[in-house]
Amino acid sequence: GAGVSQSPRYKVTKRGQDVALRCDPISGHVSLYWYRQALGQGPEFLTYFNYEAQQDKSGLPNDRFSAERPEGSISTLTIQRTEQRDSAMYRCASSIRWGTQYFGPGTRLTVL
Amino acid sequence: DQQVKQNSPSLSVQEGRISILNCDYTNSMFDYFLWYKKYPAEGPTFLISISSIKDKNEDGRFTVFLNKSAKHLSLHIVPSQPGDSAVYFCAATNAGKSTFGDGTTLTVKP
Repeated sequence: GAGVSQSPRYKVTKRGQDVALRCDPISGHVSLYWYRQALGQGPEFLTYFNYEAQQDKSGLPNDRFSAERPEGSISTLTIQRTEQRDSAMYRCASSIRWGTQYFGPGTRLTVL
Repeated sequence: DQQVKQNSPSLSVQEGRISILNCDYTNSMFDYFLWYKKYPAEGPTFLISISSIKDKNEDGRFTVFLNKSAKHLSLHIVPSQPGDSAVYFCAATNAGKSTFGDGTTLTVKP
């Protein structure tokens, strides 16, 4: 079956613009996670959902970052008023429930 | 304050020999530990895991050992193969939230 997909794969935006990053998890996976990964570092937890409920958003850096999963499947991570420090690889993962996480290929965000 | 640490950024091993990757953690509430492997331009892929109630889990050439008293886990790969060359991430979970180390780049030389 299809794995986790993310779109776009690359996003270049100007400082101050809003961006929306999409994650399409593996069908039937209950849990969905968002991570940010800087070069040379491991994935850094941002937030996660079980079904449509956001369970933990303690990793979101500030209130410019938000995420939703309205129907318990596809999720969108939105960054408002982007800043250069937001540039990173944003990764999504899904799992059956608190189990092994399957990662998508990531979205490389560059804020100019 | 990094709760999961991989202190060796890189490791080089000869083909056929054992590779040992190490990971230390500080949070005693972690209940599940995982190793992921990552090739360039791809997302991390799951390799092997271990529950906090066990001290060893084996899957083919891969074995993970957990020492709870030392808050240390290790991944053993034997025999190592050139295709094992990748970045290996250690991760620990608690209540669904995963914390990752910064990775160790393993190079297996033919």
